[in-house]
Amino acid sequence: AQSVTQLDSQVPVFEEAPVELRCNYSSSVSVYLFWYVQYPNQGLQLLLKYLSGSTLVKGINGFEAEFNKSQTSFHLRKPSVHISDTAEYFCAVSYGGTSYGKLTFGQGTILTVHP
Amino acid sequence: DARVTQTPRHKVTEMGQEVTMRCQPILGHNTVFWYRQTMMQGLELLAYFRNRAPLDDSGMPKDRFSAEMPDATLATLKIQPSEPRDSAVYFCASGLFLGGGREDKNIQYFGAGTRLSVL
Repeated sequence: AQSVTQLDSQVPVFEEAPVELRCNYSSSVSVYLFWYVQYPNQGLQLLLKYLSGSTLVKGINGFEAEFNKSQTSFHLRKPSVHISDTAEYFCAVSYGGTSYGKLTFGQGTILTVHP
Repeated sequence: DARVTQTPRHKVTEMGQEVTMRCQPILGHNTVFWYRQTMMQGLELLAYFRNRAPLDDSGMPKDRFSAEMPDATLATLKIQPSEPRDSAVYFCASGLFLGGGREDKNIQYFGAGTRLSVL
């Protein structure tokens, strides 16, 4: 079965520190990977996506992620976080094929940035 | 700025009552998804439609939930009768999915959600 594992349920960091949110997925031949962010009482907003090409993808708000096929990972990073980055982050995978577009989400990682 | 619109934003109802949630997808999008978010289960896909046809509703309790797309501008999710365990935030998302290797539009855009409380 398709699955996405976010290895940390909560990540506390101090402002201006770097952060990495980890995501692993079950392997498949064709995979598309996404990170979404959810601020309190809001819907999900796309941060970045990997569909093909360069394995290092850059998104909004200074975030980037690296697709590692051998490790089946898609970790999200930011070199210096701000208070405003406090939110819940979801990794998601789409496996293409006949169910293209359908996303499987991880359980989410709550990032809390402290002053 | 195009967005997915969900109504109502909040709904409080009593057990046994019918609940209808509505979603207006972004104009031109051909795929609509319904999700439920709870603390315990996280984000669960309930059902999705492509070109108004249901593709997968395996995540939806069939006895009380129903999802429809009366037209391309409206998707509905109905619960009848509602139960306290249905209390959750329900999200609608839409996207343009062309398949056949044309994956550059492979993005889901989410609405702000309907927060349902069943007492």
